[in-house]
Amino acid sequence: DAKTTQPPSMDCAEGRAANLPCNHSTISGNEYVYWYRQIHSQGPQYIIHGLKNNETNEMASLIITEDRKSSTLILPHATLRDTAVYYCIVRVALDNYGQNFVFGPGTRLSVLP
Amino acid sequence: NAGVTQTPKFQVLKTGQSMTLQCAQDMNHNSMYWYRQDPGMGLRLIYYSASEGTTDKGEVPNGYNVSRLNKREFSLRLESAAPSQTSVYFCASRSDRGFQETQYFGPGTRLLVL
Repeated sequence: DAKTTQPPSMDCAEGRAANLPCNHSTISGNEYVYWYRQIHSQGPQYIIHGLKNNETNEMASLIITEDRKSSTLILPHATLRDTAVYYCIVRVALDNYGQNFVFGPGTRLSVLP
Repeated sequence: NAGVTQTPKFQVLKTGQSMTLQCAQDMNHNSMYWYRQDPGMGLRLIYYSASEGTTDKGEVPNGYNVSRLNKREFSLRLESAAPSQTSVYFCASRSDRGFQETQYFGPGTRLLVL
């Protein structure tokens, strides 16, 4: 699985968009980009994933660059409850060996009132 | 639909004691995982089970054993607990809906080994 690089921490004002970057310059053509978050003391929560097209769901938007070497998770209107550690993960789907997701240290997002 | 459940939520052990962490999922997933998370770090895989009856080592398996009791349940056992095993333990299961696979996590078990 490709390695990812994320800033260790970011701040965002409540009500503004939070843009969390992730670099994955060694990503392979069959690897997806996943985003999870972990709110303090809870288990990680799935947010969104994509291959090469931009994706949007009720939680967030995922923008993947055309060369797929980086991506940005966008929380359009951040609230205090979005304060969490956000993990960017790249990996191959349809892994027949049940391989794990590799969680690095992530980005600690603090939403400020 | 409870998702992934874990018991106990908290546990304090003395060095050398044994215990089993329980995990169950009601989503009919084939794959299940045990991770540990130490303060300020990401999750590290201990063991995983790709399907009922199979288990494999992850990144940090030493000091642990697992049992995939059936499709629903995947337990983690510490035979002789050590202070280095003080951590938060997360169980996860994975959906395999074609290309849309993702992992679902339980609430965690906080373990303190004295």
